[in-house]
Amino acid sequence: DQQVKQNSPSLSVQEGRISILNCDYTNSMFDYFLWYKKYPAEGPTFLISISSIKDKNEDGRFTVFLNKSAKHLSLHIVPSQPGDSAVYFCAARPFNAGNNRKLIWGLGTSLAVNP
Amino acid sequence: KAGVTQTPRYLIKTRGQQVTLSCSPISGHRSVSWYQQTPGQGLQFLFEYFSETQRNKGNFPGRFSGRQFSNSRSEMNVSTLELGDSALYLCASSPAGTANTEAFFGQGTRLTVV
Repeated sequence: DQQVKQNSPSLSVQEGRISILNCDYTNSMFDYFLWYKKYPAEGPTFLISISSIKDKNEDGRFTVFLNKSAKHLSLHIVPSQPGDSAVYFCAARPFNAGNNRKLIWGLGTSLAVNP
Repeated sequence: KAGVTQTPRYLIKTRGQQVTLSCSPISGHRSVSWYQQTPGQGLQFLFEYFSETQRNKGNFPGRFSGRQFSNSRSEMNVSTLELGDSALYLCASSPAGTANTEAFFGQGTRLTVV
């Protein structure tokens, strides 16, 4: 049973427009949410994170929004660039994980940014 | 600063064999986690090692094991390979400390079991 769900396996966006990637979770016992980006033949790379005590975190073109009541978070990329084309993974860290690095991952959304 | 290095990059094994994968974390990182990635299941947490001790374990059978050495390098071993073990195995390293949730991944080892 997926505790972290990315219901859209793929997304296609025009260059310069906004990309919105969504993630839902079923368990309230997460204290950190992270987004990773993965290019083919490479490991995932960290993009941005948000603590459960916040509802927004921004880093350049990337903004993550957290709606705890809806158990939903989203990653906004504005403006989208062709180099953003990759698979994006949403991951969540359980409360009381402490130094524990166990993350629960979504299945990923493949983003294609068209020139 | 060198990134996380995983060897080998590709591996083909037959059912019933065993395999050992290696991971060298970023210098100074003491936490090493292993993940299995398959198209249908996404990234699944295998286990995490910190200071040579397994700190947490995912829901995988005992055929999957690992260890960490004093220099933080880690190995994972899969015995009695099954076709379903074919996957990309990713290693991630992190510095110590609860505040840092970011993990740095290697390129992975693509294991194919035939």
